[in-house]
Amino acid sequence: LAKTTQPISMDSYEGQEVNITCSHNNIATNDYITWYQQFPSQGPRFIIQGYKTKVTNEVASLFIPADRKSSTLSLPRVSLSDTAVYYCLVGDPPGGFKTIFGAGTRLFVKA
Amino acid sequence: EAQVTQNPRYLITVTGKKLTVTCSQNMNHEYMSWYRQDPGLGLRQIYYSMNVEVTDKGDVPEGYKVSRKEKRNFPLILESPSPNQTSLYFCASSLPGAFLLYFGPGTRLTVT
Repeated sequence: LAKTTQPISMDSYEGQEVNITCSHNNIATNDYITWYQQFPSQGPRFIIQGYKTKVTNEVASLFIPADRKSSTLSLPRVSLSDTAVYYCLVGDPPGGFKTIFGAGTRLFVKA
Repeated sequence: EAQVTQNPRYLITVTGKKLTVTCSQNMNHEYMSWYRQDPGLGLRQIYYSMNVEVTDKGDVPEGYKVSRKEKRNFPLILESPSPNQTSLYFCASSLPGAFLLYFGPGTRLTVT
């Protein structure tokens, strides 16, 4: 399983775009990149998943460069309710489900 | 409604008193897993199960047991709880071939 590195915390203001980068230098060929969001005392919630280039859904975008050694979660126009911890997860689901979440990035959105 | 349920949600117990935290999912998922979350340490995997009767250790399995006799249920057993097992526990499930984990609401366990 590839080890991931994320910033411990980030601050932003309402209405801004937030980009959270995750480094995964040892990503394997079959690995996917998945991001989760967690609010205090709740279970993590799936946000987005990708393999390469760009993926977009109604919540976020995920940018993955060609070498796939990093990825960036982009949250457009954040609101106070986006204050949460964001986890980057890298792995190959068909190869096993041993998961390593890491400490995540604590995003604090201010008014 | 598709969901993962855990019981109890809160539990205070004493050292050495066996306890079981139940986890059930109604999505027919083959994969289920248990995590514990402690301040500053993120989520750490305890055990996971790829299917009925198939379980394997995660990163922190010491002091825990699991069983998977039915696809929908994956109970976590603490045979002799100790204070260092005080934590917030999450159960999750997923279809195979994806990291699309669905998490339960969590069980806050305190061992005194």
